[in-house]
Amino acid sequence: AQKVTQAQTEISVVEKEDVTLDCVYETRDTTYYLFWYKQPPSGELVFLIRRNSFDEQNEISGRYSWNFQKSTSSFNFTITASLVVDSGVYFCALSSVNDMRFGAGTRLTVKP
Amino acid sequence: KAGVTQTPRYLIKTRGQQVTLSCSPISGHRSVSWYQQTPGQGLQFLFEYFSETQRNKGNFPGRFSGRQFSNSRSEMNVSTLELGDSALYLCASSEGYSNQPQHFGDGTRLSIL
Repeated sequence: AQKVTQAQTEISVVEKEDVTLDCVYETRDTTYYLFWYKQPPSGELVFLIRRNSFDEQNEISGRYSWNFQKSTSSFNFTITASLVVDSGVYFCALSSVNDMRFGAGTRLTVKP
Repeated sequence: KAGVTQTPRYLIKTRGQQVTLSCSPISGHRSVSWYQQTPGQGLQFLFEYFSETQRNKGNFPGRFSGRQFSNSRSEMNVSTLELGDSALYLCASSEGYSNQPQHFGDGTRLSIL
């Protein structure tokens, strides 16, 4: 069965600190997609990024960057110079042909 | 473009009853997925519908069922409610299958007394 592990349950940082959210996945499928979603305090999950299993290129979008490494089955998410608005619960997710699996989420609190 | 709309927002039921939740996807989206979110189990995939057909199903008992209509709107039904069914039920839509970015609704919070 597929599995997504977000070992960090809660992280607390002070504004302007960099923070990395870890995601490790397990799958036997060769074709799959990895996602990050954010659930702000208001509740509605918001899509952040998608990566397919054949594209290991890292991506940077503003203060956000993602590091995908198939060799270690990891898809980590880094926020540079964090802001209070980055607070929320971040979910890593794995989708393949027959399954959609979310990690337990990491609650990030950014303090001013 | 209107987002994903879920109704009702809150629902209180008693054990043994049944409930139907509704989801209207973003216009043009053909895939609708349902998730159960609880503090203990996190986000768990229930099922996905695409063009009125169930494409995938998570590991939930048969009491949980769903359907999708020709306009892509979807309903989820839970029969013989149990206390453990208390949860936030989220609906998400995407243009294609759920391996594409999903847009989530605010959810329906179901409480079982």
